[in-house]
Amino acid sequence: NAGVTQTPKFQVLKTGQSMTLQCAQDMNHEYMSWYRQDPGMGLRLIHYSVGAGITDQGEVPNGYNVSRSTTEDFPLRLLSAAPSQTSVYFCASSPPGLHTGELFFGEGSRLTVL
Amino acid sequence: DQQVKQNSPSLSVQEGRISILNCDYTNSMFDYFLWYKKYPAEGPTFLISISSIKDKNEDGRFTVFLNKSAKHLSLHIVPSQPGDSAVYFCAASGTSYGKLTFGQGTILTVHP
Repeated sequence: NAGVTQTPKFQVLKTGQSMTLQCAQDMNHEYMSWYRQDPGMGLRLIHYSVGAGITDQGEVPNGYNVSRSTTEDFPLRLLSAAPSQTSVYFCASSPPGLHTGELFFGEGSRLTVL
Repeated sequence: DQQVKQNSPSLSVQEGRISILNCDYTNSMFDYFLWYKKYPAEGPTFLISISSIKDKNEDGRFTVFLNKSAKHLSLHIVPSQPGDSAVYFCAASGTSYGKLTFGQGTILTVHP
């Protein structure tokens, strides 16, 4: 099993450009989410999904869009990149019925917006 | 409003000694607390968790203590090893399935 796979690992964008961060998991996990990590801020939840066809906003959703057409994939779209979106992005998943809230994370995607 | 706080940005300890990482929270609805470990250029990995109905959970060298009245938890690593050097995140989950609230992280450095 590959676990949670994120692509690309690094990306540089210009202000106003759009792009999609890809996330795929092969563990048949129902729950998937996107976090961003910024210095001194910890990890903050952007969007999450409890199953195919269902998405919802987290703590910092503005400027991002998600969809969940399959159980395996949960892409994160930046509609019009801004320097404030420079960050490290982590995708995570969790199996059903895991009441502890434990998440399995990908390796991260480092995004720089100029 | 930071619901989970790690007030120490960094901690330095000698190999073989105890490392104590602290975390405070404000939301009394949290029912599970977790610690994650993160190495550079990698994603966070789950380390240990504790339910709000317990006050201690132990796994090998790692022990988590929960003081609900003080809304405080701590992670003890005994004995500390150089390979434990990483960023440690405290996290909490409540009634919303799978949503974790993270602290800012503490950089642990264990010197040989």
